Amino acid sequence: SAVISQKPSRDICQRGTSLTIQCQVDSQVTMMFWYRQQPGQSLTLIATANQGSEATYESGFVIDKFPISRPNLTFSTLTVSNMSPEDSSIYLCSVIANEQFFGPGTRLTVL
Amino acid sequence: GQNIDQPTEMTATEGAIVQINCTYQTSGFNGLFWYQQHAGEAPTFLSYNVLDGLEEKGRFSSFLSRSKGYSYLLLKELQMKDSASYLCAVRASYGGATNKLIFGTGTLLAVQP
Repeated sequence: SAVISQKPSRDICQRGTSLTIQCQVDSQVTMMFWYRQQPGQSLTLIATANQGSEATYESGFVIDKFPISRPNLTFSTLTVSNMSPEDSSIYLCSVIANEQFFGPGTRLTVL
Repeated sequence: GQNIDQPTEMTATEGAIVQINCTYQTSGFNGLFWYQQHAGEAPTFLSYNVLDGLEEKGRFSSFLSRSKGYSYLLLKELQMKDSASYLCAVRASYGGATNKLIFGTGTLLAVQP
């Protein structure tokens, strides 16, 4: 199994600012994923982050808006840049360790 | 593209059995997952099917037919605490990356006394 922590757990931000979300895993994993869950909706994959290579983004998501770092096998960050109210969502980090596990999420509100 | 469909909402009675269906169209299929998500919490893993057939785990069973692009989650002896969203997710490899987990819209299950 894998235990995943995220920081911050929640934040309220002003339009036009940026927020970096951290994801820490208690074991080394090859693949890490970032998801978004907007209110009342299911999870949408933003990107796949592998250590040592650039993140792979899904359709509708771009690196300039959601830059991702993956400096080692236990850590990743997702930045939400130039935020607007439409970015208000829960952002979840996920890893594969036999099963696929999810972090507790970061609840972001943009005013 | 990837397409996963589930009913939006279902209602069932405590002690009964409920079946939640999921149909999918995807390339690079590599397994189907079911997750449970209570409001305000992260999804938790329920089951995984990669071959056709039924996987049973206590009160929960999951079935997969790859040729039909179809799965269902069966919940028996329903309890009030089973009220939650149930998410069908397909693992697929495409777009230059492997093992991506793509979620359906989720089914909100309400268990009534």
